[in-house]
Amino acid sequence: AQSVAQPEDQVNVAEGNPLTVKCTYSVSGNPYLFWYVQYPNRGLQFLLKYITGDNLVKGSYGFEAEFNKSQTSFHLKKPSALVSDSALYFCAVPVSGGSYIPTFGRGTSLIVHP
Amino acid sequence: DVKVTQSSRYLVKRTGEKVFLECVQDMDHENMFWYRQDPGLGLRLIYFSYDVKMKEKGDIPEGYSVSREKKERFSLILESASTNQTSMYLCASSLLPGPGANVLTFGAGSRLTVL
Repeated sequence: AQSVAQPEDQVNVAEGNPLTVKCTYSVSGNPYLFWYVQYPNRGLQFLLKYITGDNLVKGSYGFEAEFNKSQTSFHLKKPSALVSDSALYFCAVPVSGGSYIPTFGRGTSLIVHP
Repeated sequence: DVKVTQSSRYLVKRTGEKVFLECVQDMDHENMFWYRQDPGLGLRLIYFSYDVKMKEKGDIPEGYSVSREKKERFSLILESASTNQTSMYLCASSLLPGPGANVLTFGAGSRLTVL
C-alpha cells in the first residue's frame, strides 16, 4: 500500500537555526510528494510539491524539500527558522488506483523557540 | 485565490442530532473532499466527489453521508451524531481529475463537539 510516514511527532528548534521535518514514503513507481502546513486554528495550506526533475524543490515562506529516491525520503527544510514557522506540518502522497486522492502523514508539530 | 468556505467554525451538538456541515468553493473546481482531523491520526478521508451528484467513500465513511447538488457546494451530514464524531472537519477542493499532481485548497475547518 502506498503511504507516507512522519517519524517525529514534534520537532523543537531555536530561532535562527536550520530546521528539518522528516517524511519517508512507500510508493510504487515515480511518486508525487507534497508538503502542507497548518497554522493554529486554520486549515491546511500548500507549501510545495515534487513531481519530477530537480530533487530540490523550493516552496512558500522560504521552505524547501529534498527528494531522495534511494532513501525514499522527502524531508522539509529551512535554513533559518522563525518563531512564526511554528505549526503542524503534513507530508502527503496521492494513492494510485484510479482516484489519486492524497493520503496524509500523521503530522509533525514544529516548535521554534525564541 | 481559490477560496473554500466552511460555514461553521465551531458547533456544539447533542448525541442523536442531525448535523450539516456546509462547504462552498468559488473557483469551479471539479473535486471536493471531506477529511476528519484528530490528534495523532492526521487527516482521514471521509468522502470525496468528482462531480455534481457524484460521491465516493473514503477511508472512514461510516456514520456520515454527503450531498453535492451543485458544483460549488459539498455538504457533510451526520445523520445521528455520536460523541466519537467530535473532531475537526476539513473541506478541500482541487481542480483537475486524474493522476496525482493536484494541489488541495482547504477551508479553515469546522470544529464539532458532540455532547
